[in-house]
Amino acid sequence: RKEVEQDPGPFNVPEGATVAFNCTYSNSASQSFFWYRQDCRKEPKLLMSVYSSGNEDGRFTAQLNRASQYISLLIRDSKLSDSATYLCVMLPTGTASKLTFGTGTRLQVTL
Amino acid sequence: DTAVSQTPKYLVTQMGNDKSIKCEQNLGHDTMYWYKQDSKKFLKIMFSYNNKELIINETVPNRFSPKSPDKAHLNLHINSLELGDSAVYFCASSQEVEGTYNSPLHFGNGTRLTVT
Repeated sequence: RKEVEQDPGPFNVPEGATVAFNCTYSNSASQSFFWYRQDCRKEPKLLMSVYSSGNEDGRFTAQLNRASQYISLLIRDSKLSDSATYLCVMLPTGTASKLTFGTGTRLQVTL
Repeated sequence: DTAVSQTPKYLVTQMGNDKSIKCEQNLGHDTMYWYKQDSKKFLKIMFSYNNKELIINETVPNRFSPKSPDKAHLNLHINSLELGDSAVYFCASSQEVEGTYNSPLHFGNGTRLTVT
């Protein structure tokens, strides 16, 4: 089983829609979680960290469910500029900076 | 002001050649990384250096040799290139803060290596 699993998509949604992605992880001792965004042929960039209590940043909401071992990202009021690949990332405990990336979920927002 | 810069951006070379990719960061970070992203978009860590010391060395062929002359630079030398080495190689840096694990990675814009 992969350490981090994501539905590759693509998720095709119209502008203004709400879309949610999930990401499951296998290591129950995982310490920290993040969502990164990667545009086509560009480098990944940190979108937001994921806190145990859930956190929101504008139109983006991240949740962590430790019992079921998944994290989620909710995007409200999708914009064309949200089109990208969203990478789920975790940091296992005691692994000295070894962030583990999922393969990403591709989002395409259309007119 | 480029935070993490790597060169070259594109590298096309033949099997068997030796090539190097350079990376520099001006963020004052103490940890630098090399990641490989293959054709399936899977981003996998190869090496990590903290203050010029190797701290992560994943199962990577020993044809790949990282070198960190100082904490702002981490270069990657690849000997005897093979077809399977074709990928995008990303350099990254972060500032490790003791007691926290939320230091984000800052990536360079990648080096697209094509081995023919």
